[in-house]
Amino acid sequence: EAAVTQSPRNKVAVTGGKVTLSCNQTNNHNNMYWYRQDTGHGLRLIHYSYGAGSTEKGDIPDGYKASRPSQENFSLILELATPSQTSVYFCASGAWDWGSSQNTLYFGAGTRLSVL
Amino acid sequence: QEKVQQSPESLIVPEGAMVSLNCSFSDSASQSIWWYQQHPGKGPKALISIFSNGNKKEGRLTVYLNRASLHVSLHIKDSQPSDSAVYLCAVSMNYNQGKLIFGQGTKLSIKP
Repeated sequence: EAAVTQSPRNKVAVTGGKVTLSCNQTNNHNNMYWYRQDTGHGLRLIHYSYGAGSTEKGDIPDGYKASRPSQENFSLILELATPSQTSVYFCASGAWDWGSSQNTLYFGAGTRLSVL
Repeated sequence: QEKVQQSPESLIVPEGAMVSLNCSFSDSASQSIWWYQQHPGKGPKALISIFSNGNKKEGRLTVYLNRASLHVSLHIKDSQPSDSAVYLCAVSMNYNQGKLIFGQGTKLSIKP
């Protein structure tokens, strides 16, 4: 089973502070993703990456930066955290499988962030 | 922007019953449709996907896709208490990018 590990699992931050959420995958997948999950909105894509050194904007990138320093690691950075960024954040990895003709995403357990 | 709507919001059924979950999407150019299962405090886990019109069966799960009506359904046969979870429908617009657009989910409770 593919492994995606997120840290920290819980985080309390102050408004205006900097927050870094980390994600590590041992699947050797090229693609990695950051989603946030809020009641009433489902999961929404923030940033994604196709490989080390690349980051792309998702559907709701404002207020977030991403960094992909290596194949295994993908970070989400909140430079100036706001209460509206209180949410549960999920990292995922995935790659196209020619055998099954599908791109399965494997999610981490999530980081619960509260911005006070 | 693709929109994904799921119904019902929540569902309670007795153990052993057949469960039917619905999902509608807005863009006929969508690629694969996925169903994910999410238990409390956990990340979503992929269950089954479908690309072509028709149905696909895997174990107790059957998914039906009708692209003309922009509708997909998931059916769980012989439901178990361990099936209690939130079920997320997700649409992929680009087959190899893996970017998914999710619905809000259906909370399923199986009563023993």
